[in-house]
Amino acid sequence: QVQLQESGPGLVKPSQTLSLTCTVPRGSFSSGRYYWSWVRLHAEKGLEWIGYLDYSGNTYYSPSLKGRLTISQDTSKNLLSLKLRSVSAADTAIYYCARHQKYLSFDYWGQGTLVTVS
Amino acid sequence: DIQMTQSPSSLSASVGDRVTITCRASQGISNDLAWYQLKPEKAPKRLIYSASTLQSGVPSRFSGSRSGTEFILTISSLQPEDFATYFCLQHNSYPRTFGQGTKVEFK
Repeated sequence: QVQLQESGPGLVKPSQTLSLTCTVPRGSFSSGRYYWSWVRLHAEKGLEWIGYLDYSGNTYYSPSLKGRLTISQDTSKNLLSLKLRSVSAADTAIYYCARHQKYLSFDYWGQGTLVTVS
Repeated sequence: DIQMTQSPSSLSASVGDRVTITCRASQGISNDLAWYQLKPEKAPKRLIYSASTLQSGVPSRFSGSRSGTEFILTISSLQPEDFATYFCLQHNSYPRTFGQGTKVEFK
């Protein structure tokens, strides 16, 4: 069983930067197989894919968030990171990290972390 | 972007009922669709991938099928632990997109 765990502040003020991390299993980033995505669940709008980082460190972001978003990795700490700048109430959601391969569906997810912008 | 239209948004059912949930894609996505179960404060759980392949460890009462751009999740006999929210995911192209979710509630 692959365990992913998101963490970060539950409350962020409008216009500030939302910063989250996801702990992944040791060695995951060097496996040469996996992509790591962030997904969020809005209470009213449902699920939204945010972006991914692949095993080479390349990123691809949702066009709707591209200008505010940075996804990165810290290989030494087994951490996937998300930074979303200039947040507003519309960014209030449960944020998940998830693992997948390039053409496949997400096979493992974290349990999510609630972020409220207020 | 590929739009995924999921229905119904909610349903009430009893233990033992047969439940079907549908996702329709706005364009062809081959079999690039997965179904997930979501419970509060738990990691989403993949039930079905490639439209109809049962995830290892998932009970056989769950099944998936496809007809063109329409995908169906069926729970053949609803169990108490199945009361949850279900959603579909298309992974044919980026951005990945999801159905709006179906909340299965106790009647």
